[in-house]
Amino acid sequence: DIVMTQSPLSLPVTPGEPASISCKSSLSLLHSDGNTYLDWYLQKPGQSPQLLIYLVSNRASGVPDRFSGSASGTDFTLKISRVEAEDVGIYYCMQATQTPYTFGQGTKVDIK
Amino acid sequence: EVQLVESGGGLVKPGGSLRLSCVVSEFRFTYAWMSWVRQAPGKGLEWVGRIKSRFNGGTPDYPATVKGRFTISRDDSKNTLYLQMDSLKSEDTAVYFCTTEPHFANWGQGTLVTVSS
Repeated sequence: DIVMTQSPLSLPVTPGEPASISCKSSLSLLHSDGNTYLDWYLQKPGQSPQLLIYLVSNRASGVPDRFSGSASGTDFTLKISRVEAEDVGIYYCMQATQTPYTFGQGTKVDIK
Repeated sequence: EVQLVESGGGLVKPGGSLRLSCVVSEFRFTYAWMSWVRQAPGKGLEWVGRIKSRFNGGTPDYPATVKGRFTISRDDSKNTLYLQMDSLKSEDTAVYFCTTEPHFANWGQGTLVTVSS
């Protein structure tokens, strides 16, 4: 199974400041079809998860452009250019390149 | 707006069975691959399995943790996804979500399954 390792696991943030979450995969996520199936999800308190970023760097519908995703090999990064109070919650990366799909442990983002 | 509504959760004894349902609306269910994801209390997300569309063979895939105990099926005429859970263990206690593929863009509200004696 592909292991997804996130860091940090806890991230206190200041509104208006940038924030960054790392996700490392134990194997390449490059699929034979040429896509890299790495997604980012946010689970706000008391809610179901919601898709933020798919295929490494594509924002889902309705996601503000302060969220961006990037990759370097097996290292993936989610960046928030300017954190807002509504961004608190737990962020998960997930690979869907091969089954079983696997999630990172989650990164809890809260306001300092 | 796409809606997914799970049901069927509840309290079950270890070794028991439960069947969850997920009704999907405003979505091309027939063509969709569908997944189940669970979240144990206070824990992270875990993929429980998926089923391809019938156009892609309609076959399911499972992680080792549930393979042989859980069965995913679908009824395209009812826009409904199912998760049959047998030989339940205490570690199966979780909120179970259904979600659409690709990229899990749509989620239900989840249904709680508690396995306890």
